[in-house]
Amino acid sequence: NAGVMQNPRHLVRRRGQEARLRCSPMKGHSHVYWYRQLPEEGLKFMVYLQKENIIDESGMPKERFSAEFPKEGPSILRIQQVVRGDSAAYFCASSPGAGYQPQHFGDGTRLSIL
Amino acid sequence: GIQVEQSPPDLILQEGANSTLRCNFSDSVNNLQWFHQNPWGQLINLFYIPSGTKQNGRLSATTVATERYSLLYISSSQTTDSGVYFCAVGIGANNLFFGTGTRLTVIP
Repeated sequence: NAGVMQNPRHLVRRRGQEARLRCSPMKGHSHVYWYRQLPEEGLKFMVYLQKENIIDESGMPKERFSAEFPKEGPSILRIQQVVRGDSAAYFCASSPGAGYQPQHFGDGTRLSIL
Repeated sequence: GIQVEQSPPDLILQEGANSTLRCNFSDSVNNLQWFHQNPWGQLINLFYIPSGTKQNGRLSATTVATERYSLLYISSSQTTDSGVYFCAVGIGANNLFFGTGTRLTVIP
């Protein structure tokens, strides 16, 4: 059973471009979470989604960032008009959502802005 | 949000030594996880331990939920144990709050 799959592992963008990060949850998991880790820091929550619904986006910057988890396909974290400060590791996690269950993390996407 | 404090922030051990890492949190939680972030940046899930004690090889963890802390024990440390250890807590299916981590360096 494959774990949480994130791609790409590394992404390089120039300032002003768009970045799209993908996350496929573990089989049977319907809840997806995105976290950001700045260099030398812990992970910070960004957004929590279920299929076709955003449950909690309290950690998302108000501008340029969006997330979706469509009925079919992976969850997408989209960053428009990237700036140097967006350089970070972006982790996706998934859980079954029912009851008390651990979150399972992918290997992350390292985003570098030139 | 829930405040999570980890101590010590940095730890240097000789190979073979034992260590205890601590995680304090500010509210009642029913999700607590320990992770090891290896030098390649991968997050390895060590324990899901909202309460009680668990052991996995040289690692064990104890959470005392009523007193809002958890401990991670590493025995007979090896160089491959080096990295950053994170504690993360949450409530139900909601997001996790991470501590700032303990950076462990094991020297041969």
